[in-house]
Amino acid sequence: KNQVEQSPQSLIILEGKNCTLQCNYTVSPFSNLRWYKQDTGRGPVSLTIMTFSENTKSNGRYTATLDADTKQSSLHITASQLSDSASYICVVSVETGANNLFFGTGTRLTVIP
Amino acid sequence: DTAVSQTPKYLVTQMGNDKSIKCEQNLGHDTMYWYKQDSKKFLKIMFSYNNKELIINETVPNRFSPKSPDKAHLNLHINSLELGDSAVYFCASSLGTSGYNEQFFGPGTRLTVL
Repeated sequence: KNQVEQSPQSLIILEGKNCTLQCNYTVSPFSNLRWYKQDTGRGPVSLTIMTFSENTKSNGRYTATLDADTKQSSLHITASQLSDSASYICVVSVETGANNLFFGTGTRLTVIP
Repeated sequence: DTAVSQTPKYLVTQMGNDKSIKCEQNLGHDTMYWYKQDSKKFLKIMFSYNNKELIINETVPNRFSPKSPDKAHLNLHINSLELGDSAVYFCASSLGTSGYNEQFFGPGTRLTVL
């Protein structure tokens, strides 16, 4: 069964600290994995996309990793800011089929001063 | 501004009523989607249209009826609203149906059924 699980469900960190969010999937055949950031009261916005051949990709203070063998991805946030408070959603895509996206349940990150 | 827009942003209505949510995108995309986000923040796809043709129709009550008058618009009509329909509904669009293509989401419509 195609599933995407994220952990932790929620996380509270102090401003300036680093954190890592996890995404494990059982989706097959894997095409790509995308991390979205969803601010409160807004729609999700893409942060980065990882394809099968990519291990690490950075977007500013956000660094995503992908281990296609263990079917795990992580999103590392460096030097967190208050504006990083949001939900982070992992979305895994398969290569075939019309309904080709599988959404994780998200991690709710709160950065406190 | 190039974006995906939805109206209304908030919708409060009584059980049994019929309501519509409108979505428009000016990104030149050919594929549009409706998602439901429940109280636990889980995004679940409801419908997808590509070039005005329905391509995804998940297990959604037939009280929900999407309508795509053209590639830039995808509206959602809901009949006989129920308490369980309360959620945030997101419209999204992408260029093509491939899972590789980024989806651009609207700001959401918070529906509250009393």
